[in-house]
Amino acid sequence: LAKTTQPISMDSYEGQEVNITCSHNNIATNDYITWYQQFPSQGPRFIIQGYKTKVTNEVASLFIPADRKSSTLSLPRVSLSDTAVYYCLVRGSGNTGKLIFGQGTTLQVKP
Amino acid sequence: SAVISQKPSRDICQRGTSLTIQCQVDSQVTMMFWYRQQPGQSLTLIATANQGSEATYESGFVIDKFPISRPNLTFSTLTVSNMSPEDSSIYLCSVVFVGQGPSDTQYFGPGTRLTVL
Repeated sequence: LAKTTQPISMDSYEGQEVNITCSHNNIATNDYITWYQQFPSQGPRFIIQGYKTKVTNEVASLFIPADRKSSTLSLPRVSLSDTAVYYCLVRGSGNTGKLIFGQGTTLQVKP
Repeated sequence: SAVISQKPSRDICQRGTSLTIQCQVDSQVTMMFWYRQQPGQSLTLIATANQGSEATYESGFVIDKFPISRPNLTFSTLTVSNMSPEDSSIYLCSVVFVGQGPSDTQYFGPGTRLTVL
């Protein structure tokens, strides 16, 4: 199973762009990279998913280099409400669909 | 968008008792999973709920403690049996919707917060 490594915590200020990088050196050929956001006492919320290069939606962008051994979640112009835990995951190998959660990155957005 | 609901949303139980948590989805799914999130921790996969057959449990989780049912494509239950305070956690179901293709994105329910006294 591909393990992910990401910073435990990050601080930012309102209006800034936040980039959270995740490493996944053992990613398998068929694996997708998925990011979730979780607020206290809520289930994780799907943010974005990608396989290679760049993916953008209304919430974030995901940058994946050619070797796919890392990925960067980019949150443009964060607000206080973006304070949450962000999880980077790689779908478990063997196509069982299982997700293995690491500790995630706690993002604190300050005024 | 599809809705995933869990019942109850929270409960406080006495040790030695059992609680059954329901996960209901308003559209068909291919896969359903149950996770546990202990206080201050990340999510841990308990099992994959298989339709019409026994669930597939992860290491450290057993059917006697966490029996799971999945009678159809939109519903599953997780029972936490013979509870102890160590079972106090948030329990979450997640699903993969029909037609998603190879990406198999999982979507999570709101969770059930369980406190065992």
